[in-house]
Amino acid sequence: AQSVAQPEDQVNVAEGNPLTVKCTYSVSGNPYLFWYVQYPNRGLQFLLKYITGDNLVKGSYGFEAEFNKSQTSFHLKKPSALVSDSALYFCAVRDPTDKLIFGTGTRLQVFP
Amino acid sequence: EAQVTQNPRYLITVTGKKLTVTCSQNMNHEYMSWYRQDPGLGLRQIYYSMNVEVTDKGDVPEGYKVSRKEKRNFPLILESPSPNQTSLYFCASRTDKSSTDTQYFGPGTRLTVL
Repeated sequence: AQSVAQPEDQVNVAEGNPLTVKCTYSVSGNPYLFWYVQYPNRGLQFLLKYITGDNLVKGSYGFEAEFNKSQTSFHLKKPSALVSDSALYFCAVRDPTDKLIFGTGTRLQVFP
Repeated sequence: EAQVTQNPRYLITVTGKKLTVTCSQNMNHEYMSWYRQDPGLGLRQIYYSMNVEVTDKGDVPEGYKVSRKEKRNFPLILESPSPNQTSLYFCASRTDKSSTDTQYFGPGTRLTVL
């Protein structure tokens, strides 16, 4: 079965420090991977995606993610966290029927 | 501005009282879907539509209905809401079923069923 795992319910980081939000996946065939962010009382906003090509994907707001096929991971990263990055982050994978499968979400808290 | 809109944004209702949550997109997208978001469960797909008059069940369709009479609109209908349908609902759209284009989400509808 296709699935996405976000092993951390919450990630805490100090402003200015690097951040990582973890995601691993299980899918048959080539994975199409996505990260979305949800700010309070808002819908999901697209951050970045991996379809093919370079394993390091750059996205909105200075975020990037690295696709690692051998570890079946797609961790979200940012070199220097901002307080305004505090939000709920979702990893998703497209399954063979083209449905998006979402992880359970990771709440990122950036402290001043 | 390209967007997906949903109404209402907040709704409190009682068990058994039929309700409809509207969804509309202005991007001429063929593919639309509904999700519910619950703590610890992420987003789960309720129904999706590949085009006008073509709808299909997602992972959690029980208790819900949808229709797709026009390309831009994809309402979610709860014929007899129950408390276990209290949730945050999102409508989404993308170009077509197989597209790798970005999927756009509406702002969400927070539903409480008493």
